[in-house]
Amino acid sequence: EVRLLESGEGWVQPGGSLGLSCVGSGFTFRNYAMTWVRQAPGKGLEWIASISSSTGKVFYADSVNGRSTISRDNSKNTLYLQIHSLRPDDTAVYYCAVIGVTTNGFDHWGPGTLVTVSS
Amino acid sequence: SYELTQPPSVSASPGETARITCSGDALPKNYVYWYQHRPGQAPVLVIYKDKERPSGIPDRISGSTSGTIVTLTITGVQAEDEAVYYCLSSDSSGSYPWVFGGGTKLTV
Repeated sequence: EVRLLESGEGWVQPGGSLGLSCVGSGFTFRNYAMTWVRQAPGKGLEWIASISSSTGKVFYADSVNGRSTISRDNSKNTLYLQIHSLRPDDTAVYYCAVIGVTTNGFDHWGPGTLVTVSS
Repeated sequence: SYELTQPPSVSASPGETARITCSGDALPKNYVYWYQHRPGQAPVLVIYKDKERPSGIPDRISGSTSGTIVTLTITGVQAEDEAVYYCLSSDSSGSYPWVFGGGTKLTV
């Protein structure tokens, strides 16, 4: 069974930095592209970043481009996301998800982790 | 930036058919994915590549396309189908690998 579990700081001050981790199990992590999606309170889902399985090619949404880094450590089955210069509108539940090889969509998701940006 | 447009809400009584649309200029060229999102849970992929169903998704959930509009259809709506549904796709330029629609709340 595919399992993903996100973790990170629950509360960060504006202007600060955020570091999230997502540990995967139940699948061959290194073979799959991965992605981060977030949902702000009362808002819809927002794709924010993706990383390929092995080439390390990365993509970012405009909302985080230039202040974010997505990375992975295949030896630890772990996906990472760093966001700097945090703003209150970065407050959201952050989800990691696996991009399926067959579907090319976000096949499996973690339960999400809430990050609050507030002073 | 590229946008996908969904109606904010759709309602259907149990046993009826619910249709949720998603429109976008690049949809004729790019696949669409549909997600079901219940409160407090992780989103679930219900349709991929416009009309394919992942294993475990009932066949009363289907997807179709017509030009710049794609449609998620749920026949024989049940109480458990009440959720927010999101479409996901990309633009043709490659500048926006993934974009979600605004979401449609299905009320049963």
